[in-house]
Amino acid sequence: EAQVTQNPRYLITVTGKKLTVTCSQNMNHEYMSWYRQDPGLGLRQIYYSMNVEVTDKGDVPEGYKVSRKEKRNFPLILESPSPNQTSLYFCASSLSGRFQPQHFGDGTRLSIL
Amino acid sequence: GDSVTQMEGPVTLSEEAFLTINCTYTATGYPSLFWYVQYPGEGLQLLLKATKADDKGSNKGFEATYRKETTSFHLEKGSVQVSDSAVYFCALSGWSGGSNYKLTFGKGTLLTVNP
Repeated sequence: EAQVTQNPRYLITVTGKKLTVTCSQNMNHEYMSWYRQDPGLGLRQIYYSMNVEVTDKGDVPEGYKVSRKEKRNFPLILESPSPNQTSLYFCASSLSGRFQPQHFGDGTRLSIL
Repeated sequence: GDSVTQMEGPVTLSEEAFLTINCTYTATGYPSLFWYVQYPGEGLQLLLKATKADDKGSNKGFEATYRKETTSFHLEKGSVQVSDSAVYFCALSGWSGGSNYKLTFGKGTLLTVNP
């Protein structure tokens, strides 16, 4: 089954404790992206990747890091999480990104205390 | 930059009522347009899409037509069901600078359908 898998689905942690949210897709997609969803703000892009070893900032990259060492994986790293990063996070992928729909994971709800 | 404006919710309808959720956009060039649906506790699912002017996307009884002259992509359904209760997002994919073909989303419209 074609899917985007995120882990964990839920996480409660404390300020400053490094965490990683994993994302994996099995569709051989080149383009992957991370979004965060906040009430009243909709979805905003954090980082994206056009292909292996190619990543770039989206609209709200501050406080986040990503890497793309393999085509299928695109982890989101919070080196020193803060409460304003409490949010619902989605990973997405598409074949090439250009004008195409994106496939979304089920989301990761992060609470930073 | 690109932007999407969709009608504020929440929208509450009775079963079998007609649904319209308005969506307008601002973008350079010729973006692709999408409607996504998010059911409670789930990720976003593509509902329908249109890639050029006058295209009509349709799926599960929902329809939307890409209107370039009015920069709109309104979502419609003739007879809603309780199972259509969800949050609906209008989105576009276009040039956002460099090589980023990101999705730009509206803020979402919560639809509740009562029996």
